Amino acid sequence: GAGVSQSPSNKVTEKGKDVELRCDPISGHTALYWYRQSLGQGLEFLIYFQGNSAPDKSGLPSDRFSAERTGGSVSTLTIQRTQQEDSAVYLCASSLFGRTDREKLFFGSGTQLSVL
Amino acid sequence: ELKVEQNPLFLSMQEGKNYTIYCNYSTTSDRLYWYRQDPGKSLESLFVLLSNGAVKQEGRLMASLDTKARLSTLHITAAVHDLSATYFCAGLSSGSARQLTFGSGTQLTVLP
Repeated sequence: GAGVSQSPSNKVTEKGKDVELRCDPISGHTALYWYRQSLGQGLEFLIYFQGNSAPDKSGLPSDRFSAERTGGSVSTLTIQRTQQEDSAVYLCASSLFGRTDREKLFFGSGTQLSVL
Repeated sequence: ELKVEQNPLFLSMQEGKNYTIYCNYSTTSDRLYWYRQDPGKSLESLFVLLSNGAVKQEGRLMASLDTKARLSTLHITAAVHDLSATYFCAGLSSGSARQLTFGSGTQLTVLP
């Protein structure tokens, strides 16, 4: 596709359930990022993938959060045993080479996660 | 740890008026980014400011960077309704080529 695609666009779940959020980056982009945007807040970095390198997981808030990227393309962010404080918009972004000091990040429209 | 603060968080302005959004950051960040986000939409990159004194303009928006003051501004000239959106600034931590730290955003509403 022409842009970064995320699915689902909205997800409502019950506390304690697991959820999976999907991101399809722009074709050919080697870098993929996950950010979280809580209501009225800025974007919080979660995790970064660059090519075949080990991901930078320094932003993941707890061990309930994990992400993988298969075949250097599609990424899945998994949240286990969801809590109400996990409610937020989860944004995925990709860039061509991962050097954010030289190039733009292209963002998807996000997944709005609501934990009841 | 880089911290980025924007103000105001909410801004209502009349069409045709000028205003400035401010972005302060806490530690060295010699690159500063501005993004626009429409409701339910992706973030759109507006400007990348790479050095002290950098000024970039596109249409009614002009962004500048003062690394000594750790301040970036986004100036809106003769606002029009189409500029209504949330604007984010983001800094790049020194030593990191990957991670952007975002401000909380400024929700701009341009009234007719």
